[in-house]
Amino acid sequence: AQSVTQLGSHVSVSEGALVLLRCNYSSSVPPYLFWYVQYPNQGLQLLLKYTTGATLVKGINGFEAEFKKSETSFHLTKPSAHMSDAAEYFCAVSSDTGRRALTFGSGTRLQVQP
Amino acid sequence: GAVVSQHPSRVICKSGTSVKIECRSLDFQATTMFWYRQFPKQSLMLMATSNEGSKATYEQGVEKDKFLINHASLTLSTLTVTSAHPEDSSFYICSVKGRYGLNTEAFFGQGTRLTVV
Repeated sequence: AQSVTQLGSHVSVSEGALVLLRCNYSSSVPPYLFWYVQYPNQGLQLLLKYTTGATLVKGINGFEAEFKKSETSFHLTKPSAHMSDAAEYFCAVSSDTGRRALTFGSGTRLQVQP
Repeated sequence: GAVVSQHPSRVICKSGTSVKIECRSLDFQATTMFWYRQFPKQSLMLMATSNEGSKATYEQGVEKDKFLINHASLTLSTLTVTSAHPEDSSFYICSVKGRYGLNTEAFFGQGTRLTVV
């Protein structure tokens, strides 16, 4: 079984400040980890993913995340927030075996203050 | 990345009628498609997995006779909400996984906002 926990349903930062969205996962097999962004009434857009290899992955729009197996974490960061980053962010896990659908966290709404 | 087209983006229907939502994979063959449901301010919950050439697999608690899923071809899956009721109002999103090279990630449609009145 797999699960994802996103700490903090709402995060508010000032424009230009560091963005940190937390994600912890549980998986009995090597996980594939993803971060998606969702704007109102739209589908999900992939920000970045970790499958194998380098544990620090870079995504679109300046976001990056680091896979830390020992901490079972995959936190999303961005050095400097932009107003356009305001959206809902979902962390998700899947694997190459068993259920192949994504299991999503509860989501974190990011607000960016001017 | 893959392009997934979902139609319609919004639909309003009367209680008791049926609504069909289409999910198309425009640029690759999708052997597996997933249908999710998202309630306001909540996460996505998997409803069912649709595999080309076989019946859909429904998650626990999802009524297969109410939410009919048909994976008609490698590029098309449909979700039909039968005898819709106001409690079926939600945001429905499909996603696809490809046959080759895209096995690790899912690509999502734009979603369909269903309102049952």
